[in-house]
Amino acid sequence: AQKVTQAQTEISVVEKEDVTLDCVYETRDTTYYLFWYKQPPSGELVFLIRRNSFDEQNEISGRYSWNFQKSTSSFNFTITASQVVDSAVYFCALSGGSNDYKLSFGAGTTVTVRA
Amino acid sequence: GAGVSQSPRYKVAKRGQDVALRCDPISGHVSLFWYQQALGQGPEFLTYFQNEAQLDKSGLPSDRFFAERPEGSVSTLKIQRTQQEDSAVYLCASSLLGLVDEQFFGPGTRLTVL
Repeated sequence: AQKVTQAQTEISVVEKEDVTLDCVYETRDTTYYLFWYKQPPSGELVFLIRRNSFDEQNEISGRYSWNFQKSTSSFNFTITASQVVDSAVYFCALSGGSNDYKLSFGAGTTVTVRA
Repeated sequence: GAGVSQSPRYKVAKRGQDVALRCDPISGHVSLFWYQQALGQGPEFLTYFQNEAQLDKSGLPSDRFFAERPEGSVSTLKIQRTQQEDSAVYLCASSLLGLVDEQFFGPGTRLTVL
């Protein structure tokens, strides 16, 4: 069985602060994929990143960065210099094995960035 | 169309009514997925189509839920004899080929069963 845990339910920061979202996963698959999605108030899930289990390189995309650590089964997401437009619910997700199309989502972390 | 569209955006049903939720995927996308998102939770997988074939329906919560994609494009999720616990947002996603391709999500249909 696959499981994703996002321990932080809500995070509130002031604009320009950095914010890190934690994601811990469980899987028995040797090949798996990790994702982050953003869900703004409009409701549509927006894809942010996909990583496969064999690529532990950290990634940076603009103000976003991701830290994948297989040893601790974590795939954390950091927003640097947060902006009000970053306010949304962020979901970490996992897929793998024979059903690698099936995304298992965490419960989400609500990020509120105050001006 | 630019993205995945879903209709209606909001649906209120009385307990026991049947409902049909429509999804228009991105043109040319082979794979289509339905998810159910309860309030305050992450989406939960319901079913997966590759073209018109329903390859996985393991997430459908009961036999009251039925999905189809007869021509390999538009899909309909039907819920018969709705119950209050069916109240949720139903999300549709499509991807070009499936597997671990990026899934593009629609805005969802918020179903409220009274």
